[in-house]
Amino acid sequence: DGGITQSPKYLFRKEGQNVTLSCEQNLNHDAMYWYRQDPGQGLRLIYYSQIVNDFQKGDIAEGYSVSREKKESFPLTVTSAQKNPTAFYLCASSIGGREAYGYTFGSGTRLTVV
Amino acid sequence: LAKTTQPISMDSYEGQEVNITCSHNNIATNDYITWYQQFPSQGPRFIIQGYKTKVTNEVASLFIPADRKSSTLSLPRVSLSDTAVYYCLVGPNYGGSQGNLIFGKGTKLSVKP
Repeated sequence: DGGITQSPKYLFRKEGQNVTLSCEQNLNHDAMYWYRQDPGQGLRLIYYSQIVNDFQKGDIAEGYSVSREKKESFPLTVTSAQKNPTAFYLCASSIGGREAYGYTFGSGTRLTVV
Repeated sequence: LAKTTQPISMDSYEGQEVNITCSHNNIATNDYITWYQQFPSQGPRFIIQGYKTKVTNEVASLFIPADRKSSTLSLPRVSLSDTAVYYCLVGPNYGGSQGNLIFGKGTKLSVKP
């Protein structure tokens, strides 16, 4: 079955550590996205990529980094520079561009700073 | 992109029809209206999309008046499993958009037995 796989489902990070969240899709989608969701809030865009080897900052990119070396993969690194990383992280993909139609989301990674 | 306004929460009972209205006064000519559903600790799921008039699928109906400044998501005969957050999004439906798709806080629908 086609879809998006995020791992791990739960992740604990110590202060000052970098952690990487995995996102893999087998939908042959060109575009991929990372969102952050805080309790009771909507989704905020961190980074997006419309094509391999290219990505753009979203609204809250500070303290995060991404890479897009393969079409299927769009990992997100939460660096120590991110002041408040505890949140629910969602990866999504779409056929192309940033259109609202056809977004497929993963099941998310819940990151907690301990 | 056009900003949307939805009620923060709604309550309903099983078997009732639920209508959630979204306001988008600044919708552009090439914008589509899309609704997503999100359960706790899961990613949002696409429900329905429309441009004007009425769209219906196996899950919901979407009503869009002629001026397109608002839209209404209609869920027929809701069940407990429809308890979720519903997001209304407005944006172009083609690749290469330079805008930012905004997921607001959505509408938290609680269905009671």
